[in-house]
Amino acid sequence: EVQLVESGGGLIQPGRSLRLSCVASGFTFDDSAIHWVRQAPGKGLEWVSGISWNSANIDYAGSAKGRFTISRDNAKSSCYLQMNSLRTDDTALYYCLKDIGLNWGLGTLVTVSS
Amino acid sequence: QSALTQPRSVSGSPGQSVTISCTGTSSDVGDYNYVSWYQQHPGRAPKLMIYDVDKRPSGVPDRFSGSKSGNTASLTISGLQAEDEADYYCCSYAGSPWLFGGGTMLTVL
Repeated sequence: EVQLVESGGGLIQPGRSLRLSCVASGFTFDDSAIHWVRQAPGKGLEWVSGISWNSANIDYAGSAKGRFTISRDNAKSSCYLQMNSLRTDDTALYYCLKDIGLNWGLGTLVTVSS
Repeated sequence: QSALTQPRSVSGSPGQSVTISCTGTSSDVGDYNYVSWYQQHPGRAPKLMIYDVDKRPSGVPDRFSGSKSGNTASLTISGLQAEDEADYYCCSYAGSPWLFGGGTMLTVL
């Protein structure tokens, strides 16, 4: 069974940093692109970042560029999202997903507030 | 790049058909056959219903179908059932960034 489990969310003050993790199982991790998509409370979906299977292709949404860094460790079947200079509008449930989204995790909640 | 445009809400009675539109531009929806649709029930993670405009993942009922004409993609749900009541999001994943629509709330009357 394919599983994606996010962790690392929490309550954090504006300007601080947080690192999200996504641990995968049930499929060949190093064959798959991984993406992060977020959903602010009561709002729609927003793509944040994506990384190809070999880390050769990395992309960011404009809102994440320069502040967030995506990475992966295929040996650990894990993907990470380092989020710096967090703002209140980064408050959201952050999902990781495989390829085009056949499989999603349950998400990890990030709340940015003073 | 702007988000894709979807109607805020649609509704239909059980057994009827509904269509949700998703309008982009010639740079995204219009230029590539990389449009997906996700269903999201309250408190749940999104579920992929359609990819590559009109392909259904295994396990998705054939009541769900996708199409595209020009810069507009569409999701049609036929034989509406109560469990279809949910939010639906379209997505263009042709390149970077992925673009999502604002979401459409489907109400089954």
